Amino acid sequence: DAGITQSPRHKVTETGTPVTLRCHQTENHRYMYWYRQDPGHGLRLIHYSYGVKDTDKGEVSDGYSVSRSKTEDFLLTLESATSSQTSVYFCAATGGYTGELFFGEGSRLTVL
Amino acid sequence: AQTVTQSQPEMSVQEAETVTLSCTYDTSESNYYLFWYKQPPSRQMILVIRQEAYKQQNATENRFSVNFQKAAKSFSLKISDSQLGDTAMYFCAGLKAGGTSYGKLTFGQGTILTVHP
Repeated sequence: DAGITQSPRHKVTETGTPVTLRCHQTENHRYMYWYRQDPGHGLRLIHYSYGVKDTDKGEVSDGYSVSRSKTEDFLLTLESATSSQTSVYFCAATGGYTGELFFGEGSRLTVL
Repeated sequence: AQTVTQSQPEMSVQEAETVTLSCTYDTSESNYYLFWYKQPPSRQMILVIRQEAYKQQNATENRFSVNFQKAAKSFSLKISDSQLGDTAMYFCAGLKAGGTSYGKLTFGQGTILTVHP
């Protein structure tokens, strides 16, 4: 946990609609990440941030964008949701080199 | 690039017995970290144990220990005296050391472990 909260925790939406997931942390971690979890794939990195306004793409970034205007908030946006983006999304954060990630509770997104 | 493979989709064990979960980690990096994460039905991701590749000694955390065979690229998790609360999905993950890799883990597919009373 380490003070990482995600919202919403559950969302059902329709194909073509925009969706924003929010991650909020209270530990002042510099690095933040968005992963998606799918059966048979484990967790895969979507985007990450290494500081305010500094973001980069991960392994499965197509169809997603992110923003980080404050240290504590990291937003994941699906501009036009598709059924293939139905997944559980995890936010994570870390402050340093040890690699230990602290995860949020996950957000389950269903795109109909 | 790194790949992490967990070849056991599901495992089961009786309470109080020992079980070993398998993982292979393929990378060209000379230094890296390996992790086992536990995900109970609550969906929370919990770090179980961490191993640094340059350390010869296998990591141990209470009932959890790893067998790290670097040459064989094997990183197995042994759970001793299994408890009902150990029932969960277990993920093996790897991380390149250094640079800005910090939280950019590569995860395996996961192994569902069920502990029976």
